[in-house]
Parts: sequence; structure tokens; C-alpha cells
Amino acid sequence: EVQLVESGGGLVQPGGSLRLSCAASGFSVGGQYMTWVRQAPGKGLEWVSVIYGGANTHYADSVKGRFTISRDNSKSTLYLQMNSLRTEDTAVYYCARGEPFNLWGLGTVVTVSS
Amino acid sequence: DIQLTQSPSFLPASVGDRVTITCRASQAITNYLAWYQQKPGKAPNLLVFPASTLQSGVPSRFSGSGSGTEFTLTISSLQPEDFATYYCQQLNSYPLTFGGGTKVEIK
Repeated sequence: EVQLVESGGGLVQPGGSLRLSCAASGFSVGGQYMTWVRQAPGKGLEWVSVIYGGANTHYADSVKGRFTISRDNSKSTLYLQMNSLRTEDTAVYYCARGEPFNLWGLGTVVTVSS
Repeated sequence: DIQLTQSPSFLPASVGDRVTITCRASQAITNYLAWYQQKPGKAPNLLVFPASTLQSGVPSRFSGSGSGTEFTLTISSLQPEDFATYYCQQLNSYPLTFGGGTKVEIK
């Protein structure tokens, strides 16, 4: 079955770090545009970051310098390393495949709070 | 960055109604616009891309139109399963951006 499954979310204090994972099954992340999108509680969708090609990446201004997207093709897994977390990073984080996003995971919840 | 303005933010409607959602871009994006549907507690689902092409499996009551800076998503006859929030997204340039969303709710 073709699917994406996120993990790694949780509660973290401001200034802390988390690494999110997105495991792909039924296809290889290496040949795809792979993206992270987040949604704060009760709010709309916010594009966070994309990785494609060899290792081309782009980031939203709100996370640039703090978040790093990467992938392990051998494990067919996408990652998002999140450092210097802020309360405004609290959200459900989704990984998605393609552009546009034709396959989404179920999301993982990140809560940044003291 | 390209800003997308969706209107209305809330759309009270009844089953059988024809509803139209508008998405305006701050600069021309040709037809690099997608529409998604999101139901509570679920991930979004791609409906339309590019601007007027329905994705496989999407009911024909949905249609998209527009190019340049103005786009619309129309549902010709609203069904109970269509009550949801709809988002437009531009894929013309990074950072990719979404509109603020339109919640179609029961009148």
C-alpha cells in the first residue's frame, strides 16, 4: 500500500529540538518532491519545506535557519530536524509527496510549551 | 512571496446549492494553482491541479477555472460530504503558499 506515516512529535520546551520522521511505503522518497506542511491549532495550512532532486531544498522564512529537511533513500524516510523551537511552531506536521501534494500522511503533533 | 486571498472565509450553504470559492493571487501564476479539501481531523485531499484539471476520482460536480491572478472552485450541487474547508495553493514559485481557507458549513 502506498502511504506516508509521520512520527516523532511530542511536547518540547521553547528552545528545544525535535526530529520528525516520515516513513514512505510503496514508493521511494528519493525520486520525489517531498514536503513538510504544518497546521497550527484552528488555523490554515502552512508550507514549511521541500526536498527534491539530488538534495535541493527550500524553506519558509518562518523556519529558515532553524529547521533542516533531509531524507534517507535507503530507508525511504523523510526527516525534519527542528531546532530552537518556539511556541508558534506548535502544529500538526504533515509530510506530503509530489507537487502538488497528491499523497499526505496522517500528521504528527508538535507542542512547544513550558 | 506570492500571497493568496480566498473569499469568503465562511460559506453557509444547503445541500443542492451551487457554491463558488474565489482565490486571488498577488501576482500572476499562470495556471499553477491547486485546490484541496480538508475535513476535520484529516489530512487535506487534492481536488484540482492545474487550475482547471480535476484529479482522478474527484466527483464531476467540482470544477476549477481561472488563470493569471484570479481563480475559482465551484461545486455545482453541494452534497453532504462536501461540507469541509477548502484551500487554494500556488505552485508557481517558492515559498509555496496557501490561501487562508474557506469553510463550507451547513446553513
